[in-house]
Amino acid sequence: AQSVAQPEDQVNVAEGNPLTVKCTYSVSGNPYLFWYVQYPNRGLQFLLKYITGDNLVKGSYGFEAEFNKSQTSFHLKKPSALVSDSALYFCAVRAENFNKFYFGSGTKLNVKP
Amino acid sequence: NAGVTQTPKFQVLKTGQSMTLQCAQDMNHNSMYWYRQDPGMGLRLIYYSASEGTTDKGEVPNGYNVSRLNKREFSLRLESAAPSQTSVYFCASREGGYYGYTFGSGTRLTVV
Repeated sequence: AQSVAQPEDQVNVAEGNPLTVKCTYSVSGNPYLFWYVQYPNRGLQFLLKYITGDNLVKGSYGFEAEFNKSQTSFHLKKPSALVSDSALYFCAVRAENFNKFYFGSGTKLNVKP
Repeated sequence: NAGVTQTPKFQVLKTGQSMTLQCAQDMNHNSMYWYRQDPGMGLRLIYYSASEGTTDKGEVPNGYNVSRLNKREFSLRLESAAPSQTSVYFCASREGGYYGYTFGSGTRLTVV
């Protein structure tokens, strides 16, 4: 079975501080991992993905994510948060031989000025 | 602008009514998907179409039907709407391979 867990419903961080949004996964075979962001009343937008290679991947808007195979995690990070980063973040996984993605329940990121 | 277009954006239905949600993409993607988004539950896959002429059930297909009309269009039909189908519905498409999804802006459906 394939699944994604985002253990935190909400993450609060002050502007300028580093942020981490957590994601763990379970798949059969090699995972393809994605992060998406959703702003209010909008569709989901692609942030970054891990397919293979370097465990640290960089994406849009200064975000990055670290793939950790032993811990089956793919945490989203940013060195310095902005108020405009406040949004809903989704982690998604696809197994290598499947055509569909599974999404986590989402984490609401609140960045306070 | 290229992308995924969903219609309508908002809809209110009475219990038992039927309706079709429309989705079209102009990126020549092979695969198309319908998801529903509910608070605290993330996105759940309703149906998907890996390629033109094929459709498959996802996690929550009950109460829905789909049609892949052609490569561009993938519609979702509610034959007899129920309050449990109140949700935000997202259509997405994907080129294939290592690519991720491109999402539409969503349809907010309320069943009363």
